[in-house]
Amino acid sequence: EDQVTQSPEALRLQEGESSSLNCSYTVSGLRGLFWYRQDPGKGPEFLFTLYSAGEEKEKERLKATLTKKESFLHITAPKPEDSATYLCAVQAGSSASKIIFGSGTRLSIRP
Amino acid sequence: EAQVTQNPRYLITVTGKKLTVTCSQNMNHEYMSWYRQDPGLGLRQIYYSMNVEVTDKGDVPEGYKVSRKEKRNFPLILESPSPNQTSLYFCASSFRGNSPLHFGNGTRLTVT
Repeated sequence: EDQVTQSPEALRLQEGESSSLNCSYTVSGLRGLFWYRQDPGKGPEFLFTLYSAGEEKEKERLKATLTKKESFLHITAPKPEDSATYLCAVQAGSSASKIIFGSGTRLSIRP
Repeated sequence: EAQVTQNPRYLITVTGKKLTVTCSQNMNHEYMSWYRQDPGLGLRQIYYSMNVEVTDKGDVPEGYKVSRKEKRNFPLILESPSPNQTSLYFCASSFRGNSPLHFGNGTRLTVT
């Protein structure tokens, strides 16, 4: 069965303390892996798409990487405004419409 | 401004009273979908549409209906809501089925 698991569920960091969020997946035929950011009371906002193992994408303090079994979202020197829930989603199989979301990681950055 | 608009933002209703949640996008996207978000379960797909008059079931379609008569609109219909449909609902659209999703700001539904 296709599955996407994110860890940890919640993460509290001090401002400037770098860390990584994990998204592990077991799917047949990965077509793409997406990272989204969700703020309270809002819909998820797109961050990155990764298509193949070894691929990396960067945006400000965030860097996403992909292997054959998992993806990492690295956060370097985070600021309080990086506090949010980060969602991972996988598109797999023969249907372009099949998208499976993980449960998310709630990230909190203390000043 | 490019956006996905859902209405209403909040809705409280009673069991069995039919309701519709509207969704509209102004980006000329082909693909639209509905999700529900529940604590610990993440986002689960209810229905999706690859284009006008083309809709299909997602992972949790029971108790829901959709229609896609126009490209920009994709309403979610609950014919006879039940308390287990209390949830946070999101509409999303994308250029194609394998493109990044643009989400609305959600509809929080409570069924008593």
